Amino acid sequence: AQSVAQPEDQVNVAEGNPLTVKCTYSVSGNPYLFWYVQYPNRGLQFLLKYITGDNLVKGSYGFEAEFNKSQTSFHLKKPSALVSDSALYFCAFPRISGGYQKVTFGTGTKLQVIP
Amino acid sequence: DAGVIQSPRHEVTEMGQEVTLRCKPISGHDYLFWYRQTMMRGLELLIYFNNNVPIDDSGMPEDRFSAKMPNASFSTLKIQPSEPRDSAVYFCASSTLTSGGSNEQFFGPGTRLTVL
Repeated sequence: AQSVAQPEDQVNVAEGNPLTVKCTYSVSGNPYLFWYVQYPNRGLQFLLKYITGDNLVKGSYGFEAEFNKSQTSFHLKKPSALVSDSALYFCAFPRISGGYQKVTFGTGTKLQVIP
Repeated sequence: DAGVIQSPRHEVTEMGQEVTLRCKPISGHDYLFWYRQTMMRGLELLIYFNNNVPIDDSGMPEDRFSAKMPNASFSTLKIQPSEPRDSAVYFCASSTLTSGGSNEQFFGPGTRLTVL
């Protein structure tokens, strides 16, 4: 089955350090891939997406993600973490299935930025 | 645009009572999704609609759950009768379809349901 996986339930990083939240995919062909963020007591919010073209995608709040076809990964990165980046992050795989839009979400990774 | 609107934001009810959650999608969006989020099970897709028609309800846990979309601007998720294990945050999301499915979903703020 086509899917995305987030191997880490939680990532801790010190404020000011670079952060990486991992996502791997198991998808045939060239996938579209998304990242969403969920702040406490809020709905999911779109961060960025990879469709085609440049493998480095830039998104909101200084986040970026690198699409790596050989490693089937789409890791989310930020050069310098802020305490306010502490949230739940979801990788997602959108596609057309049976003529309709479907999205499969990863299990989520909790990012904790330590002051 | 005000985004996806959900009501109520919080609902506390007693076991056995009927609960109705409401959602207003973003104008012009033709897809509407209902999700449930818990610590134990994470984010689960319950049902989704396209042009007000239910497409896939395989995620609806039991017959106690039902969802309707009478028009393009309103949807309800009903639980009758409610049980404590239904306690969760319920999200509504909407989107439009593009080639390849590359459009993102927009989520509402959620309804936190507590069933005592």
